[in-house]
Amino acid sequence: DIVMTQSPDSLAVSLGERATINCKSSQSVLYRSNNKNHLAWYQQKSGQPPKLLIYWASTRESGVPDRFSGSGSGTDFTLTISSLQTEDVAVYYCQQYYSSLITFGQGTRLEIK
Amino acid sequence: QLQLQESGPGLVKPSETLSLTCTVSGGSISSSPYYWGWVRQPPGKGLEWIGSVYYSGSTYYNPSLKSRVTISVDTSKNQFSLKVTSLTAADTAMYYCARVRSSWPGGAFDIWGQGTMVTVSS
Repeated sequence: DIVMTQSPDSLAVSLGERATINCKSSQSVLYRSNNKNHLAWYQQKSGQPPKLLIYWASTRESGVPDRFSGSGSGTDFTLTISSLQTEDVAVYYCQQYYSSLITFGQGTRLEIK
Repeated sequence: QLQLQESGPGLVKPSETLSLTCTVSGGSISSSPYYWGWVRQPPGKGLEWIGSVYYSGSTYYNPSLKSRVTISVDTSKNQFSLKVTSLTAADTAMYYCARVRSSWPGGAFDIWGQGTMVTVSS
């Protein structure tokens, strides 16, 4: 299994400030044949299903605000929210799809400071 | 606009079998390149992929659950289904169905159902 480890487990950031969430995979999720990192990020608000934010590690899903960005390659990835809004309070998950055995990170809870 | 809706019992007894169905509306389950998957989330915990199915019937399962799980597809009804046998309290969770944006089982889940809560208790 590819183990996905997120840090930190929880994070409190002031409104308008930058929030950074990290995700590390136990092996590279960069697929050489297409030169793409098989990694996605999701946002899950309380009582709702997860929502896809980012795929291929850095491609924003349609309709996702541009304050959300993804970066990284190989085994180390970052989700950045450039200017935190109240509606961004949620739990964030990374997910690898390099392997047909799909795995998620444990989640990072983001709150307002 | 594509929508997914889970249906099934909310309460199941230990050792029994859980059967859930996901109905796809606003589009065809046979369209490619998509797999269709199940993900569960125990109360207060993270996400666990259960397995995925292609419209052709090809399936992939999480090895941790493979011996107890069957996923099938019914293209005539635009539905796919999940069966989990030998239930225990550890199977208590919110169960989501979701579309996998890929023609192979590894992909991002781009559209999700609202989820159905399943409690295993006598």
